[in-house]
Amino acid sequence: GAGVSQTPSNKVTEKGKYVELRCDPISGHTALYWYRQSLGQGPEFLIYFQGTGAADDSGLPNDRFFAVRPEGSVSTLKIQRTERGDSAVYLCASSSGGRGSSGANVLTFGAGSRLTVL
Amino acid sequence: RKEVEQDPGPFNVPEGATVAFNCTYSNSASQSFFWYRQDCRKEPKLLMSVYSSGNEDGRFTAQLNRASQYISLLIRDSKLSDSATYLCVVNPSYNTDKLIFGTGTRLQVFP
Repeated sequence: GAGVSQTPSNKVTEKGKYVELRCDPISGHTALYWYRQSLGQGPEFLIYFQGTGAADDSGLPNDRFFAVRPEGSVSTLKIQRTERGDSAVYLCASSSGGRGSSGANVLTFGAGSRLTVL
Repeated sequence: RKEVEQDPGPFNVPEGATVAFNCTYSNSASQSFFWYRQDCRKEPKLLMSVYSSGNEDGRFTAQLNRASQYISLLIRDSKLSDSATYLCVVNPSYNTDKLIFGTGTRLQVFP
């Protein structure tokens, strides 16, 4: 597609429920990133994929968070047993470059998925 | 110490003013550096990359000081439309492409 698409744009759920957030990156972009952003803070790194594999998942806060990208395109961020502290905007970004390429590290973000846990 | 630190501001400046932001990073092995701009309730967008030799794009100038581990952004002749949050972004290591964002510096340009 023309840009990074994220769905849903808004999700309200109850504490303890399971949530999936989807990201459709720019066509052909090999790298895909997930961040979350709380009010007044910068985006907090969660995980990034190079192709189908998670190249760095060091930002996932705990084992309730998991992300997949099975075909190297669309990615899903999965949150189990949601807690009120998980409320944030979850941002997805994609990048055209692999390591060392001119497009590496230049991110195009989606509009985000706003998650509210009641 | 945070990996990337910025003064959150806000910086309130009149139109036409020159304003500068600094950002410090903790890992001396950091590889690449960027400034992103984020408007209220919008996603971040790349403003410019920061090169070792410094770079300029119109009214915007970015500098990197590896010895002191900081990057800077200078905005000349500020416009009302420059009002936004400016995010400093660093790739902290040669063996990962993860990017670490600072908390952002808020700029408000007034008439």
